[in-house]
Amino acid sequence: AQKVTQAQTEISVVEKEDVTLDCVYETRDTTYYLFWYKQPPSGELVFLIRRNSFDEQNEISGRYSWNFQKSTSSFNFTITASQVVDSAVYFCALSEAYTGGFKTIFGAGTRLFVKA
Amino acid sequence: DTAVSQTPKYLVTQMGNDKSIKCEQNLGHDTMYWYKQDSKKFLKIMFSYNNKELIINETVPNRFSPKSPDKAHLNLHINSLELGDSAVYFCASSQTGTSLLDEQYFGPGTRLTVT
Repeated sequence: AQKVTQAQTEISVVEKEDVTLDCVYETRDTTYYLFWYKQPPSGELVFLIRRNSFDEQNEISGRYSWNFQKSTSSFNFTITASQVVDSAVYFCALSEAYTGGFKTIFGAGTRLFVKA
Repeated sequence: DTAVSQTPKYLVTQMGNDKSIKCEQNLGHDTMYWYKQDSKKFLKIMFSYNNKELIINETVPNRFSPKSPDKAHLNLHINSLELGDSAVYFCASSQTGTSLLDEQYFGPGTRLTVT
């Protein structure tokens, strides 16, 4: 069985604060991919990043950074100097092999409120 | 150009009715999906099709029937609608559907309200 846990249901920060969104996953596979998606108030999910199970290098993209630690089965997402436009629901997801293709399991999401 | 489009955006209907949601992608992707997002934002896969072939068929009531006339379209038909079917339904696509690294491109969602 696979599972993605985002323990933080909602986080509220003030603009310019740094915020980390936690993601813990469970899988028995050795090959898998992890993803983060953003769902702004407009509703459409947008892909942010993927990381494969063999690549534990952290990644930084502007104000966004991701920390993948296989030892703790975590793939956390940090927003530095948050902005109001970062307000959204963020989903962590895990992809692993499935008959004929792959299957993506989404976490329950973390709703981030950034106040001006 | 919209990559993944869904119609309608909003659908309000009464219990017992039959309704369809349409999805089209112009990305040339091989695989398309239907997800259901409930009021708590929980996102769950329902179906996936790869080149018109059903790949994933989760535990979904058989009142839900997907149809893929070609690889650019995946429609969802729902019979005998129930209150619990109220949710946002998202269509998505991915390039191959057979590669773990494929990200998914989502449509804008269809908010279904059953009264």
